[in-house]
Amino acid sequence: GQQLNQSPQSMFIQEGEDVSMNCTSSSIFNTWLWYKQDPGEGPVLLIALYKAGELTSNGRLTAQFGITRKDSFLNISASIPSDVGIYFCAGQEFYGGATNKLIFGTGTLLAVQP
Amino acid sequence: GAGVSQSPSNKVTEKGKDVELRCDPISGHTALYWYRQSLGQGLEFLIYFQGNSAPDKSGLPSDRFSAERTGGSVSTLTIQRTQQEDSAVYLCASSWGFGAQPQHFGDGTRLSIL
Repeated sequence: GQQLNQSPQSMFIQEGEDVSMNCTSSSIFNTWLWYKQDPGEGPVLLIALYKAGELTSNGRLTAQFGITRKDSFLNISASIPSDVGIYFCAGQEFYGGATNKLIFGTGTLLAVQP
Repeated sequence: GAGVSQSPSNKVTEKGKDVELRCDPISGHTALYWYRQSLGQGLEFLIYFQGNSAPDKSGLPSDRFSAERTGGSVSTLTIQRTQQEDSAVYLCASSWGFGAQPQHFGDGTRLSIL
């Protein structure tokens, strides 16, 4: 199935460092979302973006909806050990309810060294 | 309920058997989605329900896969004559009504075909 290009694939950082990851698509999306997935659990929504150019924060997390509507980035500031996990971007198409499916990125594995 | 509930959490079965996976969405959410996550991969869309109807079944990989939703609530994903390539985590998500509403995920059913 279709997947978005997400980079980097993995990151190994020291506690306290800032992190940045991004997603690009050949298609335009109406909504971008960022999820975090821990082992054995489902993805948990971190941030949802609804408008091109929108910049939204959730605690130490900041995400932006690219102005071309084909990309998004997620920044994590001052990382802590519990930030460990796999981060997924997702783009959502919306055409009058015909489909609201999410297209997911390939994921970024984040490891934080205490 | 408080979140999306899926059962069973794990299922091991022999090749050729049929399996049924259940999803109980967040109370009041009219939209329901099934995704599949293969080992180390992102999530792949399978099917989308709005109420009891399925406007988008485009992600179902073969006619061995089917899903239904009754009473606008619980959904069942059925895989007939299972194959080893069906081994994956099957995730269910739900959201409010139409439009760009964020999807909230259950913890999935881990399906292993021997």
